[in-house]
Amino acid sequence: EVQLVESGGGLVQPGGSLRLSCAASGFTFSSYAMSWVRQAPGKGLEWVSAISGSGGSTYYADSVKGRFTISRDNSKNTLYLQMNSLRAEDTAVYYCAKDVHVVPAAPYDYWGQGTLVTVSS
Amino acid sequence: EIVLTQSPATLSLSPGERATLSCRASQSVSSYLAWYQQKPGQAPRLLIYDASNRATGIPARFSGSGSGTDFTLTISSLEPEDFAVYYCQQRSNWPPRAFGPGTKVDIK
Repeated sequence: EVQLVESGGGLVQPGGSLRLSCAASGFTFSSYAMSWVRQAPGKGLEWVSAISGSGGSTYYADSVKGRFTISRDNSKNTLYLQMNSLRAEDTAVYYCAKDVHVVPAAPYDYWGQGTLVTVSS
Repeated sequence: EIVLTQSPATLSLSPGERATLSCRASQSVSSYLAWYQQKPGQAPRLLIYDASNRATGIPARFSGSGSGTDFTLTISSLEPEDFAVYYCQQRSNWPPRAFGPGTKVDIK
């Protein structure tokens, strides 16, 4: 059974940092691209970042480029999102999602339950 | 950048009725369009990929059609568990993998 379990969310002040983790199980982690998708309270889905199965290729939405870094440790079956210089508009539930391909192409056939990030003073 | 629009924003129907949801792309995405369902407090669930292919375990009452810029998700007969928000997503133009704003299907 495929499982994706996010952690690391919480309350952080503007300008602060957080690192999200997504522990994966039930599939060959390195064979699939992974993405982070976020959802602000009461809003729709926003793609944030993606990484290839090998970790060699990464992609970012313009809204987070230069502030967020996606990475993965295939030996630990874990996906990460390092978030720096956080802003109020980054407040959202962050989902990790498994791609159906080894390269980031979408769609996403499995999603985690999400972790809430709140940026507020 | 490809922009997706969904209509209507809200669809009010009764169980057993047919639901027809639209997704339009600002430029052609070929058949590279997916549909997701999201219920309150839950993660999205993949329903349809590449315009018309049902994902694993998705009931046959869900069907997708279209190509180019105009796509449709049809729920042939609404079950109580189908009342949710539905999002389309394109994978033709990268990045980003844009999502549409969503259509909420609620109970009339």
